Amino acid sequence: AQSVAQPEDQVNVAEGNPLTVKCTYSVSGNPYLFWYVQYPNRGLQFLLKYITGDNLVKGSYGFEAEFNKSQTSFHLKKPSALVSDSALYFCAQYSGAGSYQLTFGKGTKLSVIP
Amino acid sequence: GAVVSQHPSWVICKSGTSVKIECRSLDFQATTMFWYRQFPKQSLMLMATSNEGSKATYEQGVEKDKFLINHASLTLSTLTVTSAHPEDSSFYICSASPGAVNQPQHFGDGTRLSIL
Repeated sequence: AQSVAQPEDQVNVAEGNPLTVKCTYSVSGNPYLFWYVQYPNRGLQFLLKYITGDNLVKGSYGFEAEFNKSQTSFHLKKPSALVSDSALYFCAQYSGAGSYQLTFGKGTKLSVIP
Repeated sequence: GAVVSQHPSWVICKSGTSVKIECRSLDFQATTMFWYRQFPKQSLMLMATSNEGSKATYEQGVEKDKFLINHASLTLSTLTVTSAHPEDSSFYICSASPGAVNQPQHFGDGTRLSIL
């Protein structure tokens, strides 16, 4: 079975500083990887995906993620954090075997400090 | 971007009531929809996978008679919590898949269910 690990429960960063939210995935064929963001009492919003191609993927709201096959990682990054980026971030991977089911990490709470 | 509408956003009702939650994909056909439950400060827990025109597939430990799922069309799935009790209080989220692994699932905004 696929698994997704987000090793940090919480990440704190000062406004204007770069941010990184870590994610590692389990290996099984070609990984289809996604990042979502959740604001309080809301559903998940899609940020970006890696399917194939360039290892650096650009997404919504200035976020990007770097796919690293050798480290089985897909870390989310942003060059300059905003207070409004404070939210819960989920990394996810398709479960495979023809299923569109996602396997989620446990989530990382990002707090951007003014 | 793709939009998934989920209603209602909030429900407060008495114990023993049945509650229906709707999930609609507004601008694409969703061959597969998913229902999740989320506890405070936790990740999403998949409850069931719903394919249009067929019976839902429930995850282990989820009572199918308690959580009735109907996926009658390519744009609508419903979750009915039957005879709800306080322990069913939670945040329920649906998502819809366009049916391609290179496309993301799109999520509704969730339903906060509170059973008194």
